Amino acid sequence: GAVVSQHPSWVICKSGTSVKIECRSLDFQATTMFWYRQFPKQSLMLMATSNEGSKATYEQGVEKDKFLINHASLTLSTLTVTSAHPEDSSFYICSARPDRGTIGYTFGSGTRLTVV
Amino acid sequence: GENVEQHPSTLSVQEGDSAVIKCTYSDSASNYFPWYKQELGKGPQLIIDIRSNVGEKKDQRIAVTLNKTAKHFSLHITETQPEDSAVYFCAASISGNQFYFGTGTSLTVIP
Repeated sequence: GAVVSQHPSWVICKSGTSVKIECRSLDFQATTMFWYRQFPKQSLMLMATSNEGSKATYEQGVEKDKFLINHASLTLSTLTVTSAHPEDSSFYICSARPDRGTIGYTFGSGTRLTVV
Repeated sequence: GENVEQHPSTLSVQEGDSAVIKCTYSDSASNYFPWYKQELGKGPQLIIDIRSNVGEKKDQRIAVTLNKTAKHFSLHITETQPEDSAVYFCAASISGNQFYFGTGTSLTVIP
């Protein structure tokens, strides 16, 4: 089945630094990937839609200059949290749907970001 | 846009009993309804889904029902086991183009 690999699974960084999170579709191509943010005991909040070869589409209220998304290939999307602050600490999850086949989405395992 | 509501937010059942989680949606154009299970510190895992042309779907101990007229769908877990304990999310989508998630249900199965 479709597998999405997300890396790293957990990262701790200092305030002011940037962190890059990778989302890879291992056995399928995905023109579109999604990035979510999840606070403790809350639902997934869509941050942006990542489109291969074009600019990402950000949801209202999400700062595109702070959360940089790059979707350079059909199997890789990256989310970079720039100049991270403690309030950026959260669980970030990506998802992808195969360009062909099922309409269901597969989620990555998530990245827990802690900014100290 | 679509609004998905999910109830209850927490649910505790005795091992072996059944658990039911209900969701409602607002957009009649939604035609795909997946359910995800999320364990602590992990990403959501698809456990079952249903499309609008089907009223019910079953996979072993898990079943999902859909009432298009009333715009609600439910997850049924029978013979619950401790490993079923997790947070469950419903979602609604129009042909998989964008997913709207419910607020989640924390299920605890008591041994």
